[in-house]
Amino acid sequence: AQSVTQLDSQVPVFEEAPVELRCNYSSSVSVYLFWYVQYPNQGLQLLLKYLSGSTLVKGINGFEAEFNKSQTSFHLRKPSVHISDTAEYFCAVRAAGNKLTFGGGTRVLVKP
Amino acid sequence: GAVVSQHPSWVICKSGTSVKIECRSLDFQATTMFWYRQFPKQSLMLMATSNEGSKATYEQGVEKDKFLINHASLTLSTLTVTSAHPEDSSFYICSAMTGGDEKLFFGSGTQLSVL
Repeated sequence: AQSVTQLDSQVPVFEEAPVELRCNYSSSVSVYLFWYVQYPNQGLQLLLKYLSGSTLVKGINGFEAEFNKSQTSFHLRKPSVHISDTAEYFCAVRAAGNKLTFGGGTRVLVKP
Repeated sequence: GAVVSQHPSWVICKSGTSVKIECRSLDFQATTMFWYRQFPKQSLMLMATSNEGSKATYEQGVEKDKFLINHASLTLSTLTVTSAHPEDSSFYICSAMTGGDEKLFFGSGTQLSVL
């Protein structure tokens, strides 16, 4: 079984400042890793994913994440946030059976 | 990208009634769809995996008789919350998987409020 831990439930950040959202996972098998964003009362939108290859993955809206196998981490970063980045962010892993296991989510609040 | 339509986006019902939520893949065929439940300020919990033409696979602790899932075609899966109670109030989200590349796309969710 897989599990995902998002270490920060809420991250306040000022506009144009950088942000990092931490994600650690555990799995006995190889997994695929994902970051999703959820705006209020909406479904999830894929930000980026790691399937294989380069450990640094670039996604939409200026986000990127780095897969670190030894630390079983997949932290999400953005060098300069906008007000519109205020949302809930979910890290997820997918192993056999195509089921996604989500972390608890990190609420990003961008302040002007 | 592919579009998944979920309807209704918002529903209020009386306790004891049943509510049906539809999840449609608009521009692709989805052999597999997933249903999630999300409580306020919490993560998504997988309820069941729905495969076209076969019975859904429910996660542990999810009542299959209460949450009826039907996946009768490659573009439509439905979740029926039977005899709804206030504790069933939640945000329900579906996702659909494309065939060859197995990409997942999410619906916009349904907020269910049971009075």
